[in-house]
Amino acid sequence: EIVMTQSPATLSVSPGETATLSCRASQSFSTNLAWYQQKPGQAPRLLIYGASTRATGIPARFSASGSGTEFTLTINSLQSEDFAVYYCQQYHHWPLTFGGGTKVEIK
Amino acid sequence: DVQLVESGGGLVMPGGSLRLSCAASGFTFSAYSMNWVRQAPGKGLEWVSSISTAGSYTYYSDSVKGRFSISRDNAKNSLSLQMNNLRAEDTAVYFCARDTSDYDILDAFNIWGQGTLVTVSS
Repeated sequence: EIVMTQSPATLSVSPGETATLSCRASQSFSTNLAWYQQKPGQAPRLLIYGASTRATGIPARFSASGSGTEFTLTINSLQSEDFAVYYCQQYHHWPLTFGGGTKVEIK
Repeated sequence: DVQLVESGGGLVMPGGSLRLSCAASGFTFSAYSMNWVRQAPGKGLEWVSSISTAGSYTYYSDSVKGRFSISRDNAKNSLSLQMNNLRAEDTAVYFCARDTSDYDILDAFNIWGQGTLVTVSS
């Protein structure tokens, strides 16, 4: 099983600033990695797939990069609606696995 | 509108059974692999099961293998999850989710339902 580890668990950021979230995989794979955003009481929303491709309708302030075992999600100029929990997920190999999440909170 | 709507959640006793359903609309259901993902109260996301377009291939997490069974009815645009021998640790919101593309079962999930709560308790 590929274990996905996200850091930090909580990130305190002021509106307008940049947030950088990390996701590390226990085994190397190419780019079969997704990022999701989840707000309280809502279903997750796909932000990024293929490690760096924004999903339909996702603003350009969300960007992502990485391959192998290290992946990064960057949120530029944080807006109020961006404060949420973010999960990474690998879909390279069964079982599919998610990271534990990073909560981005208002500083 | 592309939509997934889950139903069938509720309160069940340990050792009991429950069948979840997911009704799909707004897209060609038979063209996409489908998935179940769950989230225990206050916890993160956990993949549960996936099924290929025709239902020929199914995959399960170790935590549910042998107890849960995923199936689909393409004629009815419906996905199901039969859950047997339920345990307290199966308590969660269960989401159905659609693969992003129509050509690979190993894929990100770009369409999600609103979820249905399953509570296993005596």
